[in-house]
Amino acid sequence: EMQLVESGGGLVQPGGSLRLSCAASGFIFTDYWVHWVRQAPGKGLVWVSRINGDGSNVVYADFVKGRFTISRDNADNTVSLQMSTLSPEDTAVYYCARGSGSGSYRHFDSWGQGTLVTVSS
Amino acid sequence: SYVLTQPPSVSVAPGETARITCGGNNIGSKSVHWYQQKPGQGPVLVIHYDRARPSGIPERFSGSNSGSTATLTISRVEAGDEADYYCQVCENSSDHPVFGGGTKLTVL
Repeated sequence: EMQLVESGGGLVQPGGSLRLSCAASGFIFTDYWVHWVRQAPGKGLVWVSRINGDGSNVVYADFVKGRFTISRDNADNTVSLQMSTLSPEDTAVYYCARGSGSGSYRHFDSWGQGTLVTVSS
Repeated sequence: SYVLTQPPSVSVAPGETARITCGGNNIGSKSVHWYQQKPGQGPVLVIHYDRARPSGIPERFSGSNSGSTATLTISRVEAGDEADYYCQVCENSSDHPVFGGGTKLTVL
């Protein structure tokens, strides 16, 4: 059974950093893009970043460019999201999701349970 | 950026049909995907490529897409269908995924 499990969330002060991890199992990890999507409390879903199967292609939403870095370790079946210069607006549950489709058909066929990041002093 | 518009809420009695719309400029030319999210859980894909059901999704869930509106239809609604539903497409220029604001389905 395929599974995605996020970890690393917590409370961090404004301007601080945090590293999220997504552990994957139950499928051929290198065959898939992996995405991060976030959801602020009581709000909707917002796409954050994606990385391709061998880690050579990464893409970010404009609002995290230069602050967040996505990477993957295919030996460990994990994807990480290094977040820096955090602000209260980054407070959200962060989900990792397996990508499906390509180009304008991209979507997400499986999601984790999410990890909560709270940015507050 | 491309904007998707969903009604904030839809209410339906058990056994009836729920229709959740997703509006966007010429959305009929895009591929629309739908997700169900229950409280405290990650989203679940219920419809992809406008109208296809992933494995394990009941036949009660169906989708359509034409013109400026895509629609998720849930037939014979059950209490367990109560959730937030999100539509999603990709922007033409960047392939960045975009979500609608979500619709809370209440089963009366």
